[in-house]
Amino acid sequence: EVQLMESGGGLVKPGGSLRLSCAASGFTFSSYSMNWVRQAPGKGLEWVSSITSTSNYIYYADPVKGRFTISRDNAKNSLFLQMNSLRAEDTAVYFCARGGNAVPIDYWGLGTLVTVSS
Amino acid sequence: SYVLTQPPSVSVAPGKTAIITCGGNNVGSKSVHWYQQKPGQAPVLVISYNSDRPSGIPARFSGSNSGNTATLTISRVEAGDEADYYCQVWDNSSDHWVFGGGTKVTVL
Repeated sequence: EVQLMESGGGLVKPGGSLRLSCAASGFTFSSYSMNWVRQAPGKGLEWVSSITSTSNYIYYADPVKGRFTISRDNAKNSLFLQMNSLRAEDTAVYFCARGGNAVPIDYWGLGTLVTVSS
Repeated sequence: SYVLTQPPSVSVAPGKTAIITCGGNNVGSKSVHWYQQKPGQAPVLVISYNSDRPSGIPARFSGSNSGNTATLTISRVEAGDEADYYCQVWDNSSDHWVFGGGTKVTVL
């Protein structure tokens, strides 16, 4: 059974940093591209970042480019999102999700809540 | 950047058909994927590549895509279909995933 479990969310002050992790199991992690997708309270889905299976290609949404860094450790079946210079508008549930460019997202984690507030 | 436009809400009586549109410039040339999200839950892929149903998705869910509009159709709507639905495409020009704004389906 495919499982994706996010961790690392919490309350952080504007300008602060946070590192999200996603532990993957139930599939060959190193064979799949992965994504982070977020959802602000009461709002729609917003794609954040994608990384290919070997980290050869990395993509970011414009609102997070230069502030967020996606990475992965295939040996540990883990996906990460380093978030710096956080803003109030980054407040959201962050989902870890399996899927690649042009390949639909077929599995999602339950999400971890990031709240940016003073 | 590429934009997908969905109606904010659709209301439908049980047993009837719900039609959710997703508009975008020449979206018919792209592959559209659809997700269902119930409150407090992660999204679930219900239609991939315009019209393919993943395993476990009822045949009541179908999709089409042509011109500037992609469509998700839910036939014989049930109370359990009440949810938010999102369309999604991969925009090759920017190498970005793009989501529509979402449509809330209410079963009357």
